[in-house]
Amino acid sequence: DTEVTQTPKHLVMGMTNKKSLKCEQHMGHRAMYWYKQKAKKPPELMFVYSYEKLSINESVPSRFSPECPNSSLLNLHLHALQPEDSALYLCASSQDPGQGTNQPQHFGDGTRLSIL
Amino acid sequence: AQRVTQPEKLLSVFKGAPVELKCNYSYSGSPELFWYVQYSRQRLQLLLRHISRESIKGFTADLNKGETSFHLKKPFAQEEDSAMYYCALRGNQGGKLIFGQGTELSVKP
Repeated sequence: DTEVTQTPKHLVMGMTNKKSLKCEQHMGHRAMYWYKQKAKKPPELMFVYSYEKLSINESVPSRFSPECPNSSLLNLHLHALQPEDSALYLCASSQDPGQGTNQPQHFGDGTRLSIL
Repeated sequence: AQRVTQPEKLLSVFKGAPVELKCNYSYSGSPELFWYVQYSRQRLQLLLRHISRESIKGFTADLNKGETSFHLKKPFAQEEDSAMYYCALRGNQGGKLIFGQGTELSVKP
């Protein structure tokens, strides 16, 4: 299995809802990432998990809460989002987060999130 | 500062013409550079990485440390090459990828 799988593919939620995005990989990768992408813009890094520990938080608002239950799974819990949070949320994984390994990141299809 | 610059937001060529998508970087140390492609409504896919020096879908990219560039080239563009292309630099902070702003390539028949 050489894919990163994200569910759901689409999500529409109100500003008071609580929902979760899920990401799964079975490539044995030890680093997993959440990105936010707006149309025709590059992905913006949100969080990095390295060996199941949060290693980077790019000053993301607390209404986004990541969780890494095990080395294959990554969740993003959403609560009280704003309309400007509507975007494509991408999950990625890489074999090793260390510098000098030239390991690429493998991306999922993303979850297209719309906040009403 | 760690930065990736893709100067062209949009590049439009005719089928069969050569294409070059420019990428310049700023990084102290040995850079790890990648090209990613995103076709319409598809996932971001790795196209090339500088260390492999391979050709994928007819595309090549050479790292020029003197000019701090990693331009993507293809001698004969095809309509199916139309997509968004991102150049990315792996920073020195926990595997973080630093993306350029992207170049939208449009190949006309």
